[in-house]
Amino acid sequence: EVQLVESGGGLVQPGGSLRLSCATSGFTFNNYVMSWVRQAPGKGPQWVSFIGRSGGGPTFYADPVKGRFTISRDNSKNTVYLQMKSLRAEDTAVYYCAKDRDDFGDYTYDHWGQGTLVTVSS
Amino acid sequence: DIQMTQFPSSLSAVVGDRVTITCQASQDISNYLNWYQQKPGKAPKLLIYDASKLETGVPSRFSGSGSGTKFSFTISNLQPEDIATYYCQQYDNLPPITFGPGTKVDLK
Repeated sequence: EVQLVESGGGLVQPGGSLRLSCATSGFTFNNYVMSWVRQAPGKGPQWVSFIGRSGGGPTFYADPVKGRFTISRDNSKNTVYLQMKSLRAEDTAVYYCAKDRDDFGDYTYDHWGQGTLVTVSS
Repeated sequence: DIQMTQFPSSLSAVVGDRVTITCQASQDISNYLNWYQQKPGKAPKLLIYDASKLETGVPSRFSGSGSGTKFSFTISNLQPEDIATYYCQQYDNLPPITFGPGTKVDLK
């Protein structure tokens, strides 16, 4: 059974940092592109970032987070990370990690984690 | 960036109704279009991929069609468990990957 479990969310002050983790199991992790998608309260999903199958990338980011967020993965631990810096109130959201449906990078998310809430507030 | 619009933004229907949602892309995205269902407090669930392919395990009352810039999603026989918000998502010419604003479906 495919499982994705996010952790690391919480309350952080504006300008602060957080590192999210997504531990996975049930599939051959290093064969799949992995993504982070967030959802602000009452809003639709917003793609944040994705990382290619190898540990070094490629990596891509949505414009609102470019230069502040860094995605990475550890294929030995079947885990993908999202390092978030210089956090702003508008980054407040539930953050999901998501797995591609196919192993050639189709950006179609067939499995999602349960989400972790990030709240940026003073 | 490719912008996605959806309409209606919400609708009310009765059990057994045929419900159709439309999604429009700001430029040609071929068939690179997915549909998700989201219930409150839960992650989105993939229903339709590549515009018209039914994800494994998804009931056949769900269907999708379209290509280019105009797409539709249909629930042929609305069931109480289909009450949710539905989102389209494009993945052509990325990044970015973009989602539509959603259509909330509830019971009349």
